[in-house]
Amino acid sequence: AQSVTQLGSHVSVSEGALVLLRCNYSSSVPPYLFWYVQYPNQGLQLLLKYTSAATLVKGINGFEAEFKKSETSFHLTKPSAHMSDAAEYFCAVSDLPGGYQKVTFGTGTKLQVIP
Amino acid sequence: NAGVTQTPKFQVLKTGQSMTLQCAQDMNHNSMYWYRQDPGMGLRLIYYSASEGTTDKGEVPNGYNVSRLNKREFSLRLESAAPSQTSVYFCASILDRGQNEQFFGPGTRLTVL
Repeated sequence: AQSVTQLGSHVSVSEGALVLLRCNYSSSVPPYLFWYVQYPNQGLQLLLKYTSAATLVKGINGFEAEFKKSETSFHLTKPSAHMSDAAEYFCAVSDLPGGYQKVTFGTGTKLQVIP
Repeated sequence: NAGVTQTPKFQVLKTGQSMTLQCAQDMNHNSMYWYRQDPGMGLRLIYYSASEGTTDKGEVPNGYNVSRLNKREFSLRLESAAPSQTSVYFCASILDRGQNEQFFGPGTRLTVL
């Protein structure tokens, strides 16, 4: 069975500071990993995804994540936070490489950016 | 392309009433999903449909039914709404090639009094 743990339900950073959102996963096979962002009163949209091509994945809006198999982690980072980054972020895992795909989401981390 | 659309956006029901949430996608995706989102619990899968004509239970199916009407549409029905079903409901679809991401609708905010 696959699972995702996001450490910290709320994270606050100052504008311009480093953003680090933590995600650890459990999967019985090599996983596919995703980060989604949800702005208030909207659906989820994809930030980036890991599909085994490269361990450092770059996404939209300056975010990136590094897949570390030894640590079973896929932490999300951004060098300099912007006010518009305030949102809720979800890490997700899928461990089926083909055919039907079932995705498991973490419980989310709300990012607050302080001016 | 409109992507994934959901109707209605908001709904208030009384306990015991029934309603159907509609979802449609125009991306020719094979798999469709219904999730509920509650504070501190992330997204929990209610039902999914791997392809037209098939549906399966997810993590929290009790109190819900679904219909995969055709490849585009996947509806969620509450036969007798309960306050515990107050939530935000999201529909999603995927091309189901393993590495592809899910595309989400804007959500339906449901309150059951």
